[in-house]
Order: sequence, then C-alpha cells, then structure tokens
Amino acid sequence: GESVGLHLPTLSVQEGDNSIINCAYSNSASDYFIWYKQESGKGPQFIIDIRSNMDKRQGQRVTVLLNKTVKHLSLQIAATQPGDSAVYFCAENGSAGGGNKLTFGTGTQLKVEL
Amino acid sequence: ETGVTQSPTHLIKTRGQQVTLRCSSQSGHNTVSWYQQALGQGPQFIFQYYREEENGRGNFPPRFSGLQFPNYSSELNVNALELDDSALYLCASSRNRGGGELFFGEGSRLTVL
Repeated sequence: GESVGLHLPTLSVQEGDNSIINCAYSNSASDYFIWYKQESGKGPQFIIDIRSNMDKRQGQRVTVLLNKTVKHLSLQIAATQPGDSAVYFCAENGSAGGGNKLTFGTGTQLKVEL
Repeated sequence: ETGVTQSPTHLIKTRGQQVTLRCSSQSGHNTVSWYQQALGQGPQFIFQYYREEENGRGNFPPRFSGLQFPNYSSELNVNALELDDSALYLCASSRNRGGGELFFGEGSRLTVL
C-alpha cells in the first residue's frame, strides 16, 4: 500500500545553519507532494508543494527537491531560525481518487539551537 | 491564522459515548476534509465533504460520520467512542475538491477515558 516515511525523527541544527529534512514515499503513482510545518498545539501549516513533473521548487528560504527515481523528497531550509523549530511533515496527495486525501509521514522534529 | 475555526478545542469523553466536533471553513472554500492525528503521528485522512456530500473516505469505520451544511461548515461525529479514538481531530478547508492547498484549523483534542 502507499506510505510516506521520514528518515530521521529528530534533527538538531545551529541557528543560521541550513537544515535538510528527508522523506521517502512508496507510491510511484504519486503526483503531488507537500511539506507542512506543525508547531506545538497548532494545526499543520503549508510550506511548499511540488508536482511530479518538477524536480525542484524554491520558496522563501525553503527549497523542495524531488527525486522520482528513488522516490525521495527533501526540504531544505536556509539560515535556520529559532522560529523554524517545529515538526515537519511531508505529505502525498493520492492521485487515484483525486481530491484532498493527503497521506502524511510520521514527521521530523526540527530543533534549532542558539 | 488560516481562517478555519474548530470547536471545542479540548474535550473529555468516556468509552461508549458519542462526540460531535465542529468546523467553520475559510471564506470562499467549499470543501472540508477531516483528519485524525494520534500523538506523535502524522494526520490520517478520515473523509472529505463537498457540496454537502461525502466525497472520499479513508480507512475509518462507519461510526465516524460527518455532515456539511449549506454555508460549508462541517461536523464530525464519532459514535461508540473507544480509547484509541483519543487524538487531535483536524479540519481542513480548500477552495475546491480537486486538490490544492489545504488550510488547517488548530484542531479539537479529544481524550477518551
């Protein structure tokens, strides 16, 4: 069945460094991927998305890379700040049924050290 | 703030009871999805409502049901509560049912004793 997983449960970085959060997916038919940030006590917040016809997309301080060959997704955060501390989820939008059914991974806790 | 509001924010129930959770979608959004997030896990899709009808369902039993109203607000109902139903229930709205950005509310934290 389809699944989305993350390599590391916790990532600690120094303030100002770049962060890289990785994600693997198993459904080769997936065509849309999203990264969400979830702070404690809050709902997931959209960060950036990418469609399967692209391999890279950039936003403000964030970049998503997609490698369809190995079914791998990564989120890069430049100049990590204390406000970036949160749990980060990758999610895949199931293409079979369309709609808004997202399959989430278990998340990576990003901790920014001062 | 996403403009998606959920109520109540926290509640405690006992096994066998029933619960209703409510969600007001962002203005202009006609589609509402519900997700269950257990502690330390990613959210899991329960179902989606579009124009007052269920439009997609995840792997949840029939005792999880929902409604969508003409103003696009929505309810999630869970009957015969079990201990494993303890979780954060998230509502997300979107501009249409065909995919795209979801805007999540802050969730309703349900504890079943």
